[in-house]
Amino acid sequence: EAEVAQSPRYKITEKSQAVAFWCDPISGHATLYWYRQILGQGPELLVQFQDESVVDDSQLPKDRFSAERLKGVDSTLKIQPAELGDSAMYLCASSLTGETEAFFGQGTRLTVV
Amino acid sequence: SQKIEQNSEALNIQEGKTATLTCNYTNYSPAYLQWYRQDPGRGPVFLLLIRENEKEKRKERLKVTFDTTLKQSLFHITASQPADSATYLCATVSGGGADGLTFGKGTHLIIQP
Repeated sequence: EAEVAQSPRYKITEKSQAVAFWCDPISGHATLYWYRQILGQGPELLVQFQDESVVDDSQLPKDRFSAERLKGVDSTLKIQPAELGDSAMYLCASSLTGETEAFFGQGTRLTVV
Repeated sequence: SQKIEQNSEALNIQEGKTATLTCNYTNYSPAYLQWYRQDPGRGPVFLLLIRENEKEKRKERLKVTFDTTLKQSLFHITASQPADSATYLCATVSGGGADGLTFGKGTHLIIQP
């Protein structure tokens, strides 16, 4: 069964360092999402791509976060510099279109120390 | 922006009974409403999708209703089992899907044997 792949699974980094997460969506899925989830909260959308274009990044802290999906397939989310408040689960998801069900990866658990 | 309200308190249900979870949205009527299950440390898993012109959707022991007048969706699990214990997330999608899935905080369901 096709899955959304994310790496790394866990990441510990010191504050002010740079960190990057990678996501490989299900083949053929045009829509890709990055979400951040704090423990006890629901996922919060950071950025949505349609193919290689950003559709919505209104909640992405652009002073420190960046995301790209250069060839419209896999995607990278970067944080530079990391802050203590960035500690969270970072989830990638993909869907055929923005209106169909989303398939989530296992997430990257980030701890900033 | 859309606001989703789910009962943040844990819901304890006896095995074999029907569990009913509530999702209320406060702003625009979404084109779609989706329900996901999330286990600790894992990404959400899609369960059901219901469109704004549908009143009810069923899948095995699951049933979802959508009342656009009340701005509410109810999620039912019949003949509940301990394995159904998890956090259940409600999410809305606007027409066109350009603003991603907006999630509630989720309801933690505990099925007592």
